[in-house]
Amino acid sequence: SQTIHQWPATLVQPVGSPLSLECTVEGTSNPNLYWYRQAAGRGLQLLFYSVGIGQISSEVPQNLSASRPQDRQFILSSKKLLLSDSGFYLCAWSLRGLSEQYFGPGTRLTVT
Amino acid sequence: TQLLEQSPQFLSIQEGENLTVYCNSSSVFSSLQWYRQEPGEGPVLLVTVVTGGEVKKLKRLTFQFGDARKDSSLHITAAQPGDTGLYLCAGGGNYGQNFVFGPGTRLSVLP
Repeated sequence: SQTIHQWPATLVQPVGSPLSLECTVEGTSNPNLYWYRQAAGRGLQLLFYSVGIGQISSEVPQNLSASRPQDRQFILSSKKLLLSDSGFYLCAWSLRGLSEQYFGPGTRLTVT
Repeated sequence: TQLLEQSPQFLSIQEGENLTVYCNSSSVFSSLQWYRQEPGEGPVLLVTVVTGGEVKKLKRLTFQFGDARKDSSLHITAAQPGDTGLYLCAGGGNYGQNFVFGPGTRLSVLP
């Protein structure tokens, strides 16, 4: 069966510090991968998605970036965090050609 | 850009009551998904509806896709405290393009 991992689970970082969140998927090959951000009690905002290694599409301009160095690894980064980057970050995967997405447990980021 | 609206935004009911939440758009979707999210966790996929007019049942949950594929509803019969959570509808392209989530309905079922 497929599983998706995210780490860290929680993170507190000062403004201006760098960020690296990692997501890995097991049990499937060539998945589509996604990064979402969720504000408190709200819906999900798609940040990035990837259909293959090195292929990243950005949905929202911001100071975040994403990379996919391996087929089942997706990384969300920032060089300098802003207060507005605080939120709940979710990674998800889907099979090629299908719309159903499966989410990881999320990372709670607080920028102070 | 396709947008999804959900209503009500909040709903608090007593255990045993029935409820319906709605997901609406002015755009046609090839499919819609419903997810449930509990605090501090990722959303969990409940169902996908594809065909206009389609009805799917998952135990006490009934999902319906509108005939024009612009809206969907989720009906819960005899709600239980375990149904508490944020219910999200989502739809759009298969490769992430234009894939959108609604803002969600936060349901609280009181024992």
